Amino acid sequence: QVQLQESGPGLVKPSETLSLTCTVSGASIRSGTLYWIWIRQPPGKGLEWIGNIFYSGSTNYNPSLESRVTISMDPSKNQFSLKLTSVTAADTAIYYCARRNAAFVFDYWGQGNLVTVSS
Amino acid sequence: DIQMTQSPSTLSASVGDRVTITCRASQWITDSLAWYQQKPGKAPTLLIYKASSLEGGVPSRFSGSGSGTEFTLTISSLQPDDFATYYCQQYKTYPVTFGGGTKVDIK
Repeated sequence: QVQLQESGPGLVKPSETLSLTCTVSGASIRSGTLYWIWIRQPPGKGLEWIGNIFYSGSTNYNPSLESRVTISMDPSKNQFSLKLTSVTAADTAIYYCARRNAAFVFDYWGQGNLVTVSS
Repeated sequence: DIQMTQSPSTLSASVGDRVTITCRASQWITDSLAWYQQKPGKAPTLLIYKASSLEGGVPSRFSGSGSGTEFTLTISSLQPDDFATYYCQQYKTYPVTFGGGTKVDIK
């Protein structure tokens, strides 16, 4: 059974860096057919794709966030991570990690990690 | 970016009703469309991919149709477990984009 679990602080100060990690079990992030995704959802609002990483380390980012986002992976721990710099209150959201399968859709999701940006 | 527009934004229905949700893309996306269901406090779950393919384990009362720029999600007979918010998503091009959501609530 594939499972994803986000971890990281729930509170980040404005102008600082948000850092989250997704631990994957039941699947290898080294798989050549899978992409690993970050998505966020402001409270009460819709879904926003942040970006993804492939096993080779190649990444794609949402242009709206590209200047502040880095997604990386640690295959030895079967984890991938998100860093978002210079956060503001607008970055307050539930952050989900997910898997994109060979059909290009997000078939497994983590439970979500609420991150609040506040001083 | 490809804009995805869902309608209606809210839908009130009763158990047993046939429910249809529409999603329109601002550009041609062939059949590169997925539908997700999200319940309060939970992550979205995949229902439909490639516009009309049912994800494994999803009840057959859910169906999807359409291609190009217009798509629909239909629930043939609404069940109590189906009251939720539904999102369409295009994956034709980056950035991946979602519709604004349709909340299905109890009439």
